[in-house]
Amino acid sequence: DAGITQSPRYKITETGRQVTLMCHQTWSHSYMFWYRQDLGHGLRLIYYSAAADITDKGEVPDGYVVSRSKTENFPLTLESATRSQTSVYFCASSEFETNQPQHFGDGTRLSIL
Amino acid sequence: GENVEQHPSTLSVQEGDSAVIKCTYSDSASNYFPWYKQELGKRPQLIIDIRSNVGEKKDQRIAVTLNKTAKHFSLHITETQPEDSAVYFCAASAGSARQLTFGSGTQLTVLP
Repeated sequence: DAGITQSPRYKITETGRQVTLMCHQTWSHSYMFWYRQDLGHGLRLIYYSAAADITDKGEVPDGYVVSRSKTENFPLTLESATRSQTSVYFCASSEFETNQPQHFGDGTRLSIL
Repeated sequence: GENVEQHPSTLSVQEGDSAVIKCTYSDSASNYFPWYKQELGKRPQLIIDIRSNVGEKKDQRIAVTLNKTAKHFSLHITETQPEDSAVYFCAASAGSARQLTFGSGTQLTVLP
């Protein structure tokens, strides 16, 4: 559904470039997450945020930077893209209460040449 | 940290048969176990979840069972249909952390 949107849907860039992936949710969910999905690895958590101005590392944070100045936005930046960061990136959000499902955006397919 | 293992990686069944996917987890503090279905090129979508105070949960043709002692949980799909063909992911979370650790996925193919 349209509650969480990611942009762009597709991106091609070159090694060494900076690229920012955007994520916007309209549910006012407290928690937001960034995952990358690669064949054979499933979904791996990059960073997450419990609220505005609160972020924390996940399983694979190296090479990525996040910020969350507003509750509804959670951009992910690759400061100097590498080929190993070619992947599909998913943003997700969930409510503040424990044991709540995460709802995913449509993903961004990022290719780094 | 948490480790989730999922089996099998691929599963083919005849239409109308049942399919079972199994996951094990390592962190005894985990207490929330969702299952996601992902069609090709689409987002993961929650199909069912279970919390540790429940041993089994059903939703029409889908059921999930949880054995906390053995640290494993399973997805059961009965009367499979071609539209059930997708990749299925299990996940586990120690609720206070909110973080989900995912299994590596099962490609389910339902043959007509």
